[in-house]
Amino acid sequence: QVQLVESGGGLVKPGGSLRLSCEDSGVTFSDYYMSWIRQAPGKGLEWVSIISTSGSTRYYADSVRGRFTLSRDNAKNSLYLQMDSLRAEDTAVYYCARTKLVDDAFDIWGQGTVVTVAS
Amino acid sequence: SYVLTQPPSVSVAPGKTATLTCGGDNIGRKSVHWYQQKPGQAPVLVIYFDSDRPSGIPERFSGSNSGNTATLTISRVEAGDEADYYCQVWDSTSDHRVFGGGTKLTVL
Repeated sequence: QVQLVESGGGLVKPGGSLRLSCEDSGVTFSDYYMSWIRQAPGKGLEWVSIISTSGSTRYYADSVRGRFTLSRDNAKNSLYLQMDSLRAEDTAVYYCARTKLVDDAFDIWGQGTVVTVAS
Repeated sequence: SYVLTQPPSVSVAPGKTATLTCGGDNIGRKSVHWYQQKPGQAPVLVIYFDSDRPSGIPERFSGSNSGNTATLTISRVEAGDEADYYCQVWDSTSDHRVFGGGTKLTVL
């Protein structure tokens, strides 16, 4: 059974940095686009970023562009989100999820990691 | 940017049919996916490509998409269906993924 496991969340001060990781226990990680989706407390889902299978193409939501950087290591079945210049409004549960095609659904999600930005 | 509009809440009695809508400009030309999220849990895909069901999702869940509205229909609603439901599309003009604001389904 494919499983995505996020890690790296925690408490950070405004302006600080954090690096999230997502590890895929399956054998087909490199076949999938990978994305981060977040959910602020009591709010809905917000798409954050997506990376192509090779890692050559990345897209970001306007709210994080220029502050967050998405990368992947297919040899390690891992996805990373480097978050810099963090703001209070970045506080959320961050989920990683996979999708097979450009317009496909996110078929597998991790359980999420909590990021809290507060002084 | 592309916007998806969902009603904040829908209530339905057990055994009845719940109809959840997702509005967007010409959404019928896009592929719509639906997710169910229960409190404290990660979202789960329940409908993809407008009307396909992943394995393990009951046949009671169905979807359609036409014009400016996509619809998730849950037949013979059960207490366990109570959750938040989100629609999602790919916005080809920006290559962004877009989620609706979500609908809280309450089973009376």
